Amino acid sequence: GAGVSQSPRYKVAKRGQDVALRCDPISGHVSLFWYQQALGQGPEFLTYFQNEAQLDKSGLPSDRFFAERPEGSVSTLKIQRTQQEDSAVYLCASSLGSVETQYFGPGTRLLVL
Amino acid sequence: GDSVTQMEGPVTLSEEAFLTINCTYTATGYPSLFWYVQYPGEGLQLLLKATKADDKGSNKGFEATYRKETTSFHLEKGSVQVSDSAVYFCALSDGGATNKLIFGTGTLLAVQP
Repeated sequence: GAGVSQSPRYKVAKRGQDVALRCDPISGHVSLFWYQQALGQGPEFLTYFQNEAQLDKSGLPSDRFFAERPEGSVSTLKIQRTQQEDSAVYLCASSLGSVETQYFGPGTRLLVL
Repeated sequence: GDSVTQMEGPVTLSEEAFLTINCTYTATGYPSLFWYVQYPGEGLQLLLKATKADDKGSNKGFEATYRKETTSFHLEKGSVQVSDSAVYFCALSDGGATNKLIFGTGTLLAVQP
């Protein structure tokens, strides 16, 4: 079956632009996670959904970051008024339940100029 | 808060050499421990995991043992291959309601023929 997919794979934005990153989890996976991976670092947690409910957004670095999963499947991470420090790879992961193995997508590499 | 520390790379080995990548953790509860691998141009893949003390995770010739007394989860392989060249991440899940993953900074392994 298909794994986790993310689009776009690469995104170049000018500082101040808004961007939207999409994640398609594995079908039937209840839990969805977003992580941010800066160059040369490990991924860092941003936010967590169980179905359509956003249960944890403690990792979102500022109120410019917003995530949604309105129908409990596809999720979108939106970054408003992008800044250079937002440049990173954004990873999406899904799992059957929160305690199950997380399966990662290939990531979206965001470069803010 | 919970954290993971792993040895810095890059680690350069000749084919068939023995591999050890050190990983230690700090956690207030009883986390599960993971090794993820990222091959060039690919997404993060779960390599192995252990969910309680003294458990040994193994896969593809790699092993790691959950040592609560030393708070460690070192990755080992008896004979590495060129195809093992990748970035290896040690991680723990915080065991809370979210069960998010907390990663180390990653160790680049380069295996030369």
